[in-house]
Amino acid sequence: AQTVTQSQPEMSVQEAETVTLSCTYDTSESDYYLFWYKQPPSRQMILVIRQEAYKQQNATENRFSVNFQKAAKSFSLKISDSQLGDAAMYFCLAGKSTFGDGTTLTVKP
Amino acid sequence: DTGVSQDPRHKITKRGQNVTFRCDPISEHNRLYWYRQTLGQGPEFLTYFQNEAQLEKSRLLSDRFSAERPKGSFSTLEIQRTEQGDSAMYLCASSLGGSGTVSTDTQYFGPGTRLTVL
Repeated sequence: AQTVTQSQPEMSVQEAETVTLSCTYDTSESDYYLFWYKQPPSRQMILVIRQEAYKQQNATENRFSVNFQKAAKSFSLKISDSQLGDAAMYFCLAGKSTFGDGTTLTVKP
Repeated sequence: DTGVSQDPRHKITKRGQNVTFRCDPISEHNRLYWYRQTLGQGPEFLTYFQNEAQLEKSRLLSDRFSAERPKGSFSTLEIQRTEQGDSAMYLCASSLGGSGTVSTDTQYFGPGTRLTVL
């Protein structure tokens, strides 16, 4: 069985600062991708970034980047230059269907 | 690309009634997923389809739940004899399966159907 653990139920960051959200996972699959999704309050789940597990290079999308440590099964999300619109719940997804319980990110002006 | 749509967006029902939700995936997406999400939690996998075939069902999908994707396009999720514990957001997602396994697909989510059972 796959498991995904997000150990930070809540995080807070000052606007324009950097914050890192952690995720660890366990899987027996050899071919899988990892994802971070953002879910603003009462709104749709949106893909933030994707990491192909066979790639050593960390994925980057504008202000969002990951630190992927395959041996440690760790997949953290770094948000640089945080904006008020980044406030949301963030979920880590490993493979097909196993989500973590999420981290609620608050951005302070 | 019109995105994944779900109907209805909100449903209030009385305990014991049957409800049916519909999901329209992104056109040409061959894989479709259903999840349940309760407040403050991550989505829990219920089932997924590849084209019209239901390939996997979670143990969460009790015999009161049934899902179909008859022509490999839209899907329905029916809950019979609803219970108060069924109150949740029901999310649908779709993906375009390629040469890799389903664990390498990127899923795109709909807005969800919020079910309240009184």
